[in-house]
Amino acid sequence: QKEVEQNSGPLSVPEGAIASLNCTYSDRGSQSFFWYRQYSGKSPELIMSIYSNGDKEDGRFTAQLNKASQYVSLLIRDSQPSDSATYLCAVNGAAGNKLTFGGGTRVLVKP
Amino acid sequence: GAGVSQSPSNKVTEKGKDVELRCDPISGHTALYWYRQSLGQGLEFLIYFQGNSAPDKSGLPSDRFSAERTGGSVSTLTIQRTQQEDSAVYLCASSLASSGGGADTQYFGPGTRLTVL
Repeated sequence: QKEVEQNSGPLSVPEGAIASLNCTYSDRGSQSFFWYRQYSGKSPELIMSIYSNGDKEDGRFTAQLNKASQYVSLLIRDSQPSDSATYLCAVNGAAGNKLTFGGGTRVLVKP
Repeated sequence: GAGVSQSPSNKVTEKGKDVELRCDPISGHTALYWYRQSLGQGLEFLIYFQGNSAPDKSGLPSDRFSAERTGGSVSTLTIQRTQQEDSAVYLCASSLASSGGGADTQYFGPGTRLTVL
C-alpha cells in the first residue's frame, strides 16, 4: 500500500463546474498536508496547506482534512481551463522531516 | 524575494559520466530537499538537509548518488557513473523548517532535466 494515494485521473470537468480531488494517507501521525499544482514541464507550486480537521478556503480552492478517516481533499470551484494540470497531494508525516507525495491527479477542464 | 534556483536547467550526458546538479535555496530556509520525478510519475524523495544535522539519505536509490550542502545554503547533488534510468527531472525544494504549521511549507525550484544517453 502506497503511503499517499490519489486517483491518477484524468478527471474531466466542464468549465464552471466543481472539481473534487481526493487523497488518502497511511501515516496516522501525519501533521501537515499540502496540495500542489503542476503544469506540464513545470515544477510544483503550492496551492493550499492545511493542518487542522475541517475546511480551509482560499479563493476558488477549498481543502478538507479528516484525520480520523485519513483523507484530505481539494475542491476547485468555478473550474477554468487554466486549472488543467496535475494536482499533487503531499503529507508531512509524524517524523516531520520530509514530504511524501501521491502520484497526482490529472485534471482537464473543458471549455 | 528570490525563489529556489537550480542549475543547469538541462543536462545531457553520456552513460558512465558523472554529473553535478546545483540548488540555491530561498535565503533563510534551513531545510533543503532533493526529489526526482521521472516522466509521468510522482515525486520521489532523495535526500533532506536540516540545519547542521546529519542529512536524511534514506531516499537515495544507490551509492552512485550523493549530496552535500555547504555552509547551510547551496547544495550539490552528484550522480556518479550515470545510467539511462537516472534520466529524470531533479527538483530541489526548501522550507523554513522541517515541521511546524506553515514553517514546513516547501517551495520548489524549476528543476534540472537530466538526460543520460
